[in-house]
Amino acid sequence: EADIYQTPRYLVIGTGKKITLECSQTMGHDKMYWYQQDPGMELHLIHYSYGVNSTEKGDLSSESTVSRIRTEHFPLTLESARPSHTSQYLCASSRDLSGANVLTFGAGSRLTVL
Amino acid sequence: DAKTTQPPSMDCAEGRAANLPCNHSTISGNEYVYWYRQIHSQGPQYIIHGLKNNETNEMASLIITEDRKSSTLILPHATLRDTAVYYCIVRPRSNDYKLSFGAGTTVTVRA
Repeated sequence: EADIYQTPRYLVIGTGKKITLECSQTMGHDKMYWYQQDPGMELHLIHYSYGVNSTEKGDLSSESTVSRIRTEHFPLTLESARPSHTSQYLCASSRDLSGANVLTFGAGSRLTVL
Repeated sequence: DAKTTQPPSMDCAEGRAANLPCNHSTISGNEYVYWYRQIHSQGPQYIIHGLKNNETNEMASLIITEDRKSSTLILPHATLRDTAVYYCIVRPRSNDYKLSFGAGTTVTVRA
């Protein structure tokens, strides 16, 4: 069983609202990631962190921001949600396995902005 | 990073082996081959990875050609629950830990 948790699983909000998607992992992993995926489309990396106080932007530009104050938490924030932010957001953390980097994903947060 | 090429879709019969091909002709010596799958809209699930040798675990087997330019993921006895998008990813062993997921192969297991 994956020990990475995302809340909320589903969120429907109005335009202009501030939202925070929570991601927590109990595995003590230093590396964490946020991916964005539209229905039927590819996953795109939007943020990642290799440790506390370390955050970087991913391959896809995103208006969201992230923070990493504690090892186990990697929340994602949208200051002012817009319909274009409607998507699924997937959080992951990773461990070293025989020299390879193996990701464990959460169940995702599906965001709908009206 | 080496680019991978996978067929967009494939069908297989329940109970039969599913053989999923992946081409990575530009792979370099320090790059791992990873396989993940994504069932419906759940988060992707790690399946297996390898560097040079063939690998097997409880989920699947990974066969890597001797020149490492292609690989095959084998699901030995496909079930309906194996219907998913399967991603083949090549990534170096380095301090850059990001994984990029392409389009993958949509595998449909039919009864």
